[in-house]
Amino acid sequence: EVQLVESGGGLVQPGRSLRLSCAASGFTFEDFAMHWVRRPPGKGLEWVSSISVKGGGIGYADSVTGRFTISRDDAKNSLFLQMNSLRVEDTAFYFCAKTFGGVIGNDAFDVWGQGTMVTVSS
Amino acid sequence: SYVLTQPPSVAVAPGKTASITCGGDDIATKSVHWYQHKPGQAPLLVLNYNAERPSGIPERFSGSNSGNTATLTISRVEAGDEADYYCQVWHSPRWLFGGGTELTVL
Repeated sequence: EVQLVESGGGLVQPGRSLRLSCAASGFTFEDFAMHWVRRPPGKGLEWVSSISVKGGGIGYADSVTGRFTISRDDAKNSLFLQMNSLRVEDTAFYFCAKTFGGVIGNDAFDVWGQGTMVTVSS
Repeated sequence: SYVLTQPPSVAVAPGKTASITCGGDDIATKSVHWYQHKPGQAPLLVLNYNAERPSGIPERFSGSNSGNTATLTISRVEAGDEADYYCQVWHSPRWLFGGGTELTVL
């Protein structure tokens, strides 16, 4: 069964850091681009970041550029999101997702995890 | 910047047809993907490339994309279809989601 499981969420103060992880199973992780998407409370889905196969292509939303870093460890079938200088407006459920192909654009996100909640508050 | 516009809400009676629109400048030149998201669950891809249904998605879900509007159509609506629906496009170098439409089954 194809599965994505996020972890690492929690309550953190503004300005602090948090690292999210996404464990993949049931498919050849290294063959697919991966993404992070978030949904703030009471709001809609928002794309956060994407990484292509072998990390050759990376993209970030303007709202997180310079603060968040996406990475992957193909040997461990894992995707990561390092979140620094967190803000109250980063509070959201964070989902990881895989895409059909190896590049970060065009193909839909065909499998999603259940998400992990990040709350930024003092 | 490119913006995707969806109606905030759509309400439909069981057994009827729901149409959820996604407006964008010349959106017909882009491939539109649609997702269903229920509270506490993972988002679910219901249509990709405008009208292709992934495995397991009922034929009741269909799509079109023309001019400045893409449309997700759900025929014979069921109570279980109640959810938030989002359109998505790749507008290089970013992914964009519409604001989402809450589908209420009356």
